[in-house]
Amino acid sequence: QQQVKQSPQSLIVQKGGISIINCAYENTAFDYFPWYQQFPGKGPALLIAIRPDVSEKKEGRFTISFNKSAKQFSLHIMDSQPGDSATYFCAAMVVGAGSYQLTFGKGTKLSVIP
Amino acid sequence: ETGVTQTPRHLVMGMTNKKSLKCEQHLGHNAMYWYKQSAKKPLELMFVYNFKEQTENNSVPSRFSPECPNSSHLFLHLHTLQPEDSALYLCASSQAQGATNEKLFFGSGTQLSVL
Repeated sequence: QQQVKQSPQSLIVQKGGISIINCAYENTAFDYFPWYQQFPGKGPALLIAIRPDVSEKKEGRFTISFNKSAKQFSLHIMDSQPGDSATYFCAAMVVGAGSYQLTFGKGTKLSVIP
Repeated sequence: ETGVTQTPRHLVMGMTNKKSLKCEQHLGHNAMYWYKQSAKKPLELMFVYNFKEQTENNSVPSRFSPECPNSSHLFLHLHTLQPEDSALYLCASSQAQGATNEKLFFGSGTQLSVL
């Protein structure tokens, strides 16, 4: 029940296109859903996050869509650029449960080709 | 630069060696974490320290031994490792465990190869 399932494993998108990465979870107690971006040779860095009280959050070209009833959330990258090429991880956790444990997905390797 | 520094960046060790990974954060955070990152697997939380006290140990084998002398430094002592322990070991910090600001700051990791 702690799993977060992420798809696809890899994604190739043309420059200017839309990149979409999907995640699904089972634990209905999760109430914080961040996305992390990792470039080769670097650690993951927080990209954007959402709480379940909203269905969408947008920051620049990055948007999280959240469907509470379906227990799914997705990352959309609009106007994808070669510099967006990285591995993206979705994650989920229960805030304030006395234990800070992010459950991560397996990651999606995004390649944006010129 | 995230403010979390890990050394060494790369480490090759034999199964009988003893080595240590070091992490230092310059962010004034009170919680520090060790994660293991293996290919095609989710990041695995290994240990959590909150205000220098260990609060999580996710069933990690005893050949991994963490140490947190203060809120800014975290070590992972390694001994008699197995080849399957080869992975990227990531250190992270946050303001405090369970705080409303849940942002984790990761270091660049130590790529460990066990021969």
